[in-house]
Amino acid sequence: GEDVEQSLFLSVREGDSSVINCTYTDSSSTYLYWYKQEPGAGLQLLTYIFSNMDMKQDQRLTVLLNKKDKHLSLRIADTQTGDSAIYFCAEKPPSGNTPLVFGKGTRLSVIA
Amino acid sequence: EAGVAQSPRYKIIEKRQSVAFWCNPISGHATLYWYQQILGQGPKLLIQFQNNGVVDDSQLPKDRFSAERLKGVDSTLKIQPAKLEDSAVYLCASSLELSEQYFGPGTRLTVT
Repeated sequence: GEDVEQSLFLSVREGDSSVINCTYTDSSSTYLYWYKQEPGAGLQLLTYIFSNMDMKQDQRLTVLLNKKDKHLSLRIADTQTGDSAIYFCAEKPPSGNTPLVFGKGTRLSVIA
Repeated sequence: EAGVAQSPRYKIIEKRQSVAFWCNPISGHATLYWYQQILGQGPKLLIQFQNNGVVDDSQLPKDRFSAERLKGVDSTLKIQPAKLEDSAVYLCASSLELSEQYFGPGTRLTVT
């Protein structure tokens, strides 16, 4: 079956790096995603990685994918107070139109 | 490019009443999704449309929930009658490519 696990909370100091981790169960997932949700808002797509990649970098964001361990991480460099939000990991199973499977989200708190 | 629009943003109803939510996807996006996000959880897919056809409604409680996308653009999601456990944020998303889904701001439903 499909299941995505994340730790629920992370607290970091402003300027430090944040690393949010996620494990998934479907080794044949084609894409893995990170979404950000601020209070009262919908989900904002931050970045995604195709399953044949092991790293993707986009400005302050670095995604690492370890397919063997089915582990995905999101690193935010120089974390700012505006990064405080809930971060959701999601996987897309391989069958064409299957929906995303989301984790429960990691609440990132940035301390000034 | 305009994002996914949803209305209303907030709704409070009493149990056993009816409610409807509206979604306008990003122009040209053939696939439309309705998710339910209960507090502290990740989004859970309720129904997925490809143009005006239903692709997946396996997790839609069909005794009380219904959704339509008659002209393959806008969509409405209805709950009749509502229960206390339906209190959640209802998120609409759309996609053009299978790799990316874009979310609207959501409708926060409170059933009292």
